[in-house]
Amino acid sequence: AQSVTQLGSHVSVSEGALVLLRCNYSSSVPPYLFWYVQYPNQGLQLLLKYTSAATLVKGINGFEAEFKKSETSFHLTKPSAHMSDAAEYFCAVTSSGGSYIPTFGRGTSLIVHP
Amino acid sequence: EAQVTQNPRYLITVTGKKLTVTCSQNMNHEYMSWYRQDPGLGLRQIYYSMNVEVTDKGDVPEGYKVSRKEKRNFPLILESPSPNQTSLYFCTSSVGFTGELFFGEGSRLTVL
Repeated sequence: AQSVTQLGSHVSVSEGALVLLRCNYSSSVPPYLFWYVQYPNQGLQLLLKYTSAATLVKGINGFEAEFKKSETSFHLTKPSAHMSDAAEYFCAVTSSGGSYIPTFGRGTSLIVHP
Repeated sequence: EAQVTQNPRYLITVTGKKLTVTCSQNMNHEYMSWYRQDPGLGLRQIYYSMNVEVTDKGDVPEGYKVSRKEKRNFPLILESPSPNQTSLYFCTSSVGFTGELFFGEGSRLTVL
């Protein structure tokens, strides 16, 4: 079985500050990990994904995430927040060991203050 | 343009009145699925399909049906909707289970 935990349902930062959104997973087999972003009234879109290549993954809009197997984490970061980054962010995990059922975290709402 | 198209985008209905939410993708993806999104619960998978005529239950399949007669289409059927099915629904498609999910824009359903 696999699961995803996103720490903090809301994260608030000032414009220009570091963004850190936390994601921890559990999986009995090597995982595939994803971060998606959802802007208001839209579907989700892929920010970045880890599929067992480089552990530091760069995505769109200046976001990146680092896969740390020892910590079972895949935290999302961005050095400097923009107002346009305000959105809901979802971490997801899937694996090759079971059926095709990606598991999503409950989401973290990023609030950016001027 | 690669896309997943859902219809309707918004629907208000009454308990027990059968409805269908259509989903179509133009990327020739084999995998398609339906999710519902509820506040505080994130996304939960309802049904998925690995290919034509191959469907299986996700985490919350009760009260829903699906069919996959053609590769591009994956409709979600609510035979007898109830208020607890009021939710935001997303259809997705992907190349495989390790691939990126492409999401439709969502269908907001209210059951009175």
